[in-house]
Amino acid sequence: GIQVEQSPPDLILQEGANSTLRCNFSDSVNNLQWFHQNPWGQLINLFYIPSGTKQNGRLSATTVATERYSLLYISSSQTTDSGVYFCAVEPTGGFKTIFGAGTRLFVKA
Amino acid sequence: EPEVTQTPSHQVTQMGQEVILRCVPISNHLYFYWYRQILGQKVEFLVSFYNNEISEKSEIFDDQFSVERPDGSNFTLKIRSTKLEDSAMYFCASSILTFYTFGSGTRLTVV
Repeated sequence: GIQVEQSPPDLILQEGANSTLRCNFSDSVNNLQWFHQNPWGQLINLFYIPSGTKQNGRLSATTVATERYSLLYISSSQTTDSGVYFCAVEPTGGFKTIFGAGTRLFVKA
Repeated sequence: EPEVTQTPSHQVTQMGQEVILRCVPISNHLYFYWYRQILGQKVEFLVSFYNNEISEKSEIFDDQFSVERPDGSNFTLKIRSTKLEDSAMYFCASSILTFYTFGSGTRLTVV
C-alpha cells in the first residue's frame, strides 16, 4: 500500500521562529490534507490541498503531486501551535485516508 | 461549520465487555469511516462504509468489530469483546468527494 513519511519527527522552536514540515508519499493520490492534533487529541483540519499552494494566516501549504510531496509552512510560531501535525492522503481508488506518523512540534515561550 | 459528532467522549469498560461507539456524520456526506489511534502513535484506518455496506477494511478490523448505520443519522462501531489492546482514541470521519472531516474522538479505556 501507499507509504506516507513525514519529517522531521520532532521539532522544537522558539516562539517567533519559522518552520517547514515535509510529507512524502509513495504513490498517486486523490487528496492530501494536513491536520493539527491539539493537546486534547482533536484532529483539526488545516488544509485540503491535493495540489498547488494555499495560505491561511500564518500557515501555508504546497503540494507538488507530480513529485509526491507536500510542505507545511508555519511562520512566526506561537506556543498554541504546539501539538502533532499529520499529513493524510487518499490513495487513488481508495475509500480511506492514510496518515503519516506525524511531526511533534513544541514551541517554547 | 458542520461537524462530525461523537459520543461518548470517554468510555471505560471492563475487558470482555461489548462497547458501542456512536457518531453522527455530516448530513450530506455519503462516506463514513472509523479510525483508531493508540496513545502516542499514528492514526490508523479501520473501515470505510458507503451505501449501507463496508467499502474497505484494514487488517485491524477483525471479527471483533462491526459497523452499522441503524438510522439516517447515526453510524456506530461495535467491539464485541474488548481486550486491553483495544484501548485507544477512536475517530469517526465522514467525507464528501475526497474531503474528510473528523470527529473529536472517543477515548476508550479497557481495564
